[in-house]
Amino acid sequence: EVQLLESGGGLVQPGGSLRLSCAASGFTFNNYAMTWVRQAPGKGLEWVSSISGFGGSTYYADSVKGRFAISRDNPKNMLYLQMNSLRAEDTAVYYCAKVSRKVVVAATIDHWGQGTLVTVSS
Amino acid sequence: EIVLTQSPGTLSLSPGERATLSCRASQSVSSSYLAWYQQEPGQAPRLLIYGASSRATGIPDRFSGSGSETDFTLTISRLEPEDFAMYYCQQYGSSPWTFGQGTKVEIK
Repeated sequence: EVQLLESGGGLVQPGGSLRLSCAASGFTFNNYAMTWVRQAPGKGLEWVSSISGFGGSTYYADSVKGRFAISRDNPKNMLYLQMNSLRAEDTAVYYCAKVSRKVVVAATIDHWGQGTLVTVSS
Repeated sequence: EIVLTQSPGTLSLSPGERATLSCRASQSVSSSYLAWYQQEPGQAPRLLIYGASSRATGIPDRFSGSGSETDFTLTISRLEPEDFAMYYCQQYGSSPWTFGQGTKVEIK
């Protein structure tokens, strides 16, 4: 059974940094791309970033490009999202999600974690 | 970027009724790379449909997807109590991936 467990969320001041982690199990981690999707309180879903199975290709939404960095540690089955220069509009539940293929192109999200809340406020 | 517009915003129906949800794209979705997700309150989304019409593993056959290019539909043939939730469409044919704003299916 695929399991994705996020951690690292919390309250941070504007301009601050936070690193989210996602522990994956139940599948061969390096065979699949991974992604982060966020959901602001009471709002819809917004794709944030994706990374290919071996980590060689990364993708970012314009809203986070240059501030966020996605990475993975395949031997440890871990996915990360380093978030810098945080803004109030980054406040959201951040979901770690498994992609259906090793590459991001033409692949959808087939499993989601339960999410971790990030609140950016002074 | 491809903008997805879902309609209606809210659908009020009774258990046993048929639900028809629409997702319209601002430009053609490559190779029908269109997915549907269900999200219950306080829960993570769940994949229902991918490739516009293929059901994900474990999804009941009362859920069906159809459409191509710019017009897509999710149909729930007979609503069960657990189907009252939020539904999102998503295109994954071109970067950036985008989601619709969602349709809420509520009990009438």
